[in-house]
Amino acid sequence: DGGITQSPKYLFRKEGQNVTLSCEQNLNHDAMYWYRQDPGQGLRLIYYSQIVNDFQKGDIAEGYSVSREKKESFPLTVTSAQKNPTAFYLCASSTPRGRNYNEQFFGPGTRLTVL
Amino acid sequence: DAKTTQPPSMDCAEGRAANLPCNHSTISGNEYVYWYRQIHSQGPQYIIHGLKNNETNEMASLIITEDRKSSTLILPHATLRDTAVYYCIVRVGSGTYKYIFGTGTRLKVLA
Repeated sequence: DGGITQSPKYLFRKEGQNVTLSCEQNLNHDAMYWYRQDPGQGLRLIYYSQIVNDFQKGDIAEGYSVSREKKESFPLTVTSAQKNPTAFYLCASSTPRGRNYNEQFFGPGTRLTVL
Repeated sequence: DAKTTQPPSMDCAEGRAANLPCNHSTISGNEYVYWYRQIHSQGPQYIIHGLKNNETNEMASLIITEDRKSSTLILPHATLRDTAVYYCIVRVGSGTYKYIFGTGTRLKVLA
């Protein structure tokens, strides 16, 4: 089955440690995205990548880093510089079918808790 | 930065139609409107999208006004499993893949 996988579903880390969240897709999609969601809030864009070896900052990129070495993978590192890292993190991917058409497919999410 | 406005919450009786409104007054002529929904603690699920014409699929119908400044998502026969947060989204700018998710509408379907 094609889809997006995120692992693990729940992640616990001590304050001050860097942590990397995994996102893999086998949909052959060009673009990938990372969002953060806090309780009762909508999704906020952290980083996105339109093609391999290229990525752009979203609205809340501070304290996060990404890489896009392979089309299938877009890992997100939450660094110790991120002030409030505890949140629900969602990965998505999409293939542009035309300039203005861009349906996003989401993974199941990773809930990160920093103790 | 949000380009869409939605009511924070709505209730709907089971079996009745749920009509979820969205204002997107700054939408440009070639931008699509997308609707997603998110059930608690899961990733958002794509529902439908449209440009100018009304659209229908197996999940819902999308009615877009002639001036394209607002739209309505219609769930024709709401069930308890349709209880979720519904997001109306347009793309930010042209030539990018950046979207802004607002806080959405929390729909509660009542038995």
